[in-house]
Amino acid sequence: EPEVTQTPSHQVTQMGQEVILRCVPISNHLYFYWYRQILGQKVEFLVSFYNNEISEKSEIFDDQFSVERPDGSNFTLKIRSTKLEDSAMYFCASSDRGLYEQYFGPGTRLTVT
Amino acid sequence: GNSVTQMEGPVTLSEEAFLTINCTYTATGYPSLFWYVQYPGEGLQLLLKATKADDKGSNKGFEATYRKETTSFHLEKGSVQVSDSAVYFCALSVAGGTSYGKLTFGQGTILTVHP
Repeated sequence: EPEVTQTPSHQVTQMGQEVILRCVPISNHLYFYWYRQILGQKVEFLVSFYNNEISEKSEIFDDQFSVERPDGSNFTLKIRSTKLEDSAMYFCASSDRGLYEQYFGPGTRLTVT
Repeated sequence: GNSVTQMEGPVTLSEEAFLTINCTYTATGYPSLFWYVQYPGEGLQLLLKATKADDKGSNKGFEATYRKETTSFHLEKGSVQVSDSAVYFCALSVAGGTSYGKLTFGQGTILTVHP
């Protein structure tokens, strides 16, 4: 069964450093998403991406964040200058129809020290 | 704005017990409703969904009915198993405008089932 994959599973970085979280969505999907979950809190929407552009973003997704689909398979989330409060589990998801099922990856745990 | 509220957890049950996890929502517009499950060390998996009022979603013995009048989507299972131990998330999405299916989640409910 096709699945969404994410790398790395755990990333430790120092405050102020740039990180790139990588995702490989399901191959025939057209809609891509990033969510995050701070420990003990809700899963929060960050951004959706369709047709090679951001379609919606949350207040969390400020100028420090960017997304890219550099080739036909990868979907990346970049944080330019990490803060302590960026420590969270980051989930990538993809969908073929946009409004219904989203398929999630296993997540990347980001720890900012 | 949109929001989802789940019952407080964690929930601990014995095998074969009846499970209910309450979920209520507020939404601007007409939402689709979902239950996602997260097993230890894994990502979120769609468990079931309902896209209009009175629809019943079901999967793996779990059921939830979209109740527009009470804005609820409670998850039920008649007889839980140890393998059902996981975190359960209620979620919604609302179509319209530039929304491409953004999910709004509840806080999650940890379920532990003992033999």
